[in-house]
Amino acid sequence: DIQVTQSPSTLSASVGDRVIITCRASQGISRWMAWYQQKPGKAPKLLVYQASSLASGVPSSFSGSGSGTEFTLTISSLQADDFATYYCQQYYSFPYTFGQGTKLEI
Amino acid sequence: QVQLVQSGAEMKKPEASVRVSCETSGYTFTSYYLHWLRQAPGQGPEWMGIINPTSGTTTYAQKFQDRVIMTRDSSTSAVFMELRNLRSDDTAVYFCARGVGGWPYYYLDVWGKGTMVTVSS
Repeated sequence: DIQVTQSPSTLSASVGDRVIITCRASQGISRWMAWYQQKPGKAPKLLVYQASSLASGVPSSFSGSGSGTEFTLTISSLQADDFATYYCQQYYSFPYTFGQGTKLEI
Repeated sequence: QVQLVQSGAEMKKPEASVRVSCETSGYTFTSYYLHWLRQAPGQGPEWMGIINPTSGTTTYAQKFQDRVIMTRDSSTSAVFMELRNLRSDDTAVYFCARGVGGWPYYYLDVWGKGTMVTVSS
């Protein structure tokens, strides 16, 4: 299985801050990486697919980059609604695997 | 709009089986593969498997290979996930999700709200 290592596990930030979350895959996955946002008691919500494509309706303050084994999710200016847990997920091969999550807190 | 509506919470005893349903609407059922995932309390999501809604062909994560069965009913545009021989560590929220892309590269664009399955004696 491909291991996905996500960092940091917790991130403290303020409204207006720029934050970066990183994921590293244990082997090359080309650009088959997605990012999700999850709020308590809710299903994950797709933010980014194919490393850098923004899902429909996602604010342009979110952006993704990377290829191979290194990927980042950047939020350029945090809004109050952005405080949540974020997961990366590789979909290069089965079983799909997720990072451990980054809890973004105020 | 695209919707995935899952069945309600379940409480089961160890060694029992559970069957979770996922009714789809708002799109052509046979055009998108469907995935099942689960999320244990305080953990990240875990992928369980995928089903082809046209043929019913499945691919399971090896971890669940001998305990899970995924099926579909084209007449009702629904998919089902049955997990057998339940253990306490199967306690989790189970999600269905629609996959977009081409084999085997699917990102998950729409998710059901989840079904809580609790396994306890």
